[in-house]
Amino acid sequence: GQNIDQPTEMTATEGAIVQINCTYQTSGFNGLFWYQQHAGEAPTFLSYNVLDGLEEKGRFSSFLSRSKGYSYLLLKELQMKDSASYLCAVLNDYKLSFGAGTTVTVRA
Amino acid sequence: KAGVTQTPRYLIKTRGQQVTLSCSPISGHRSVSWYQQTPGQGLQFLFEYFSETQRNKGNFPGRFSGRQFSNSRSEMNVSTLELGDSALYLCASSLSQMYQETQYFGPGTRLLVL
Repeated sequence: GQNIDQPTEMTATEGAIVQINCTYQTSGFNGLFWYQQHAGEAPTFLSYNVLDGLEEKGRFSSFLSRSKGYSYLLLKELQMKDSASYLCAVLNDYKLSFGAGTTVTVRA
Repeated sequence: KAGVTQTPRYLIKTRGQQVTLSCSPISGHRSVSWYQQTPGQGLQFLFEYFSETQRNKGNFPGRFSGRQFSNSRSEMNVSTLELGDSALYLCASSLSQMYQETQYFGPGTRLLVL
């Protein structure tokens, strides 16, 4: 089976840094994705990790440790528009399994 | 390049009816996946198609079915609708879904079952 855990909610101040953790226990692993979803909209792709280590993309970075079944998404220099749900998803056998999502609220 | 398109965007049906949703992938993408999103269950995988073949399916009853056409467009059908089928149905496409391929989501079809 698939078990993907991430915190339900996080709040941070504009300009700050927030780290969203994701732990997973899955029957197989072909990669881990992070998606951003604003209320009422479709998820949009943020990052992909298949090897251990850090992937940096502008203000967003994602880290993966396959041996620990652990990933995090780091959001730097937070902006109000970053208020959204962030979804961790594990790819296995052509199937993406999603965590419940972390709602990030950015306050002025 | 145009993104993933889904039709219709909104739909209201009554219990017992059936519904067909359509998804057109990004040009050149051959893999199409379908997901159901509800506030209680989050995003759940329904099935994935590549070259008109279903390669994987999630844990949904047989009332949920899908197919893919030779031009990679896909449809999903839900028969004998239940109230619990009210959800946002999302379609995602990728080049081939060979492990590293990123899935790009369409805007979704919001289905309300009364």
